[in-house]
Amino acid sequence: NAGVTQTPKFQVLKTGQSMTLQCAQDMNHEYMSWYRQDPGMGLRLIHYSVGAGITDQGEVPNGYNVSRSTTEDFPLRLLSAAPSQTSVYFCASSYRSGGYGKGTEAFFGQGTRLTVV
Amino acid sequence: LAKTTQPISMDSYEGQEVNITCSHNNIATNDYITWYQQFPSQGPRFIIQGYKTKVTNEVASLFIPADRKSSTLSLPRVSLSDTAVYYCLVGDVFSGGYNKLIFGAGTRLAVHP
Repeated sequence: NAGVTQTPKFQVLKTGQSMTLQCAQDMNHEYMSWYRQDPGMGLRLIHYSVGAGITDQGEVPNGYNVSRSTTEDFPLRLLSAAPSQTSVYFCASSYRSGGYGKGTEAFFGQGTRLTVV
Repeated sequence: LAKTTQPISMDSYEGQEVNITCSHNNIATNDYITWYQQFPSQGPRFIIQGYKTKVTNEVASLFIPADRKSSTLSLPRVSLSDTAVYYCLVGDVFSGGYNKLIFGAGTRLAVHP
């Protein structure tokens, strides 16, 4: 059980470049989400998904796209990177709701540290 | 979504008990209170969750008064490895609100030798 896996761990982009941050989970969780964390700050929700084919915006969605074609994967796309998107990005997953044998906590990946120059 | 307020930072010494209080005056009937811990360069990790009264696990205790407008995370006999940021979150985890939990700035706990 690998949990939540994010790739890459580090990335440097030039302004205007696009890229995709990968997130995969092997816990059969319905919910997946992306957060960004700026230095000394808490996490801010970018986008989330409640199941395959269903996504919605969080607090700070501008400049990012997501899709959820499978339960396991939830990639985050930066359309045209800007220096303001320099941050650490965390992917999380959780069960849809608690129930017998299911926890209600979210599991986080180790993060992707992105620098846009 | 209920807003939470917690101290920005706290200092303690090894072996002491640490209590971090979180205020959530607008908590809704279906909301649960969840605490996460985050070490530098790592994703947050679930510590404990509760609805009312007291919850205890192998890591911490969570005290929630009857009016549920606040909660206190208690870490017994902290060690240097408990130095981290602690987040208090409030949300309806059983009705689809889990992915919309809002993280505040958290409480930065520093444990000294």
